[in-house]
Amino acid sequence: GAGVSQTPSNKVTEKGKYVELRCDPISGHTALYWYRQSLGQGPEFLIYFQGTGAADDSGLPNDRFFAVRPEGSVSTLKIQRTERGDSAVYLCASSSTGSDTQYFGPGTRLTVL
Amino acid sequence: AQSVTQLGSHVSVSEGALVLLRCNYSSSVPPYLFWYVQYPNQGLQLLLKYTTGATLVKGINGFEAEFKKSETSFHLTKPSAHMSDAAEYFCAVIPTNTGNQFYFGTGTSLTVIP
Repeated sequence: GAGVSQTPSNKVTEKGKYVELRCDPISGHTALYWYRQSLGQGPEFLIYFQGTGAADDSGLPNDRFFAVRPEGSVSTLKIQRTERGDSAVYLCASSSTGSDTQYFGPGTRLTVL
Repeated sequence: AQSVTQLGSHVSVSEGALVLLRCNYSSSVPPYLFWYVQYPNQGLQLLLKYTTGATLVKGINGFEAEFKKSETSFHLTKPSAHMSDAAEYFCAVIPTNTGNQFYFGTGTSLTVIP
């Protein structure tokens, strides 16, 4: 079946602009995760959804970052007033209820000029 | 706080040689342990995981890892490297008592020399 998909694959924006990154999880997966991977680093946790609600948003770096999952499927990560330090690959993962295995999408590479 | 240490950001082996990628975790309670592989321009792919039971776990592509509680380690091995094994490898943990989020190591880039 289809895996986790993320769009766009690449996004270039200017400092101060607003961006939205989209994640389509595997069909039926109730849990959805966002991670950020900076160059030369491992992925860092941002936020975790169980269904429509954010069960853990402790990884969001500041209030410029926000994520939604209104219908419990697709999720959008929103970044306001982007900064050059936000440049990274943003990864999305999903898992089924009760499973500890997360399936990752290919990521969105965000570049803030 | 949970942390994962991968010793060696770059490892080179000859084709056919043993692959050994090291991972240590810091936790008083053994977490769930995972190895993921990332090929260029692709997403993370699960290689293997340890949650409970047998401490030697086998994964895809001939890889295996052994959980050693006394050493807080979960090293990844493969008896004979293949050119197609060249990739970035990440060790990750999920604390068993705090939730579902992964804590990743910084990764090890494996180069296979023909």
